[in-house]
Amino acid sequence: DTGVSQDPRHKITKRGQNVTFRCDPISEHNRLYWYRQTLGQGPEFLTYFQNEAQLEKSRLLSDRFSAERPKGSFSTLEIQRTEQGDSAMYLCASSPAGANVLTFGAGSRLTVL
Amino acid sequence: DQQVKQNSPSLSVQEGRISILNCDYTNSMFDYFLWYKKYPAEGPTFLISISSIKDKNEDGRFTVFLNKSAKHLSLHIVPSQPGDSAVYFCAASLQGAQKLVFGQGTRLTINP
Repeated sequence: DTGVSQDPRHKITKRGQNVTFRCDPISEHNRLYWYRQTLGQGPEFLTYFQNEAQLEKSRLLSDRFSAERPKGSFSTLEIQRTEQGDSAMYLCASSPAGANVLTFGAGSRLTVL
Repeated sequence: DQQVKQNSPSLSVQEGRISILNCDYTNSMFDYFLWYKKYPAEGPTFLISISSIKDKNEDGRFTVFLNKSAKHLSLHIVPSQPGDSAVYFCAASLQGAQKLVFGQGTRLTINP
């Protein structure tokens, strides 16, 4: 198993453009999480899935953000009409059901110009 | 509302000495605590954890102490090694909740 994979690792975009990040979790993990980390801060929870069901969303996840996990395997996080404040590291993590420990991917860094 | 706080942004320690990283929390309902380590350009990696029913957990050079009355936990690394230089995050979870709440992180530098 290669762990949690995220793609792309770095995305530079202009304000107003849409971006999409992909996460491939550890195959036997049925929970998948998205976090956002800005400079000098710890990861902040955005949303999580159990299988294909999105069970919780943070109020940080504005209506410009949407996450999907259509077949309970990989997940995508889309940001529409990006703003400079969206510049951050977007981290994906996965875990087995009931586990407290999350395994993180290396993250996708978004820079909005 | 920062429920998990790491008040020291950075810490510098001599190689071979003890490193002590601190974390405070405000929510008494947290029942599980974790430490993660993060190197540049990598995601956080799990280091050690402790349940609220314990006050100490040890794994090799790493020991986590939990003081529930003070709502405080600490990570001790002894002896410190240059490879321990990284950003350390403490995190907490609520019983029945499925997410971790992270502190802001402490950058640990081990000097040779």
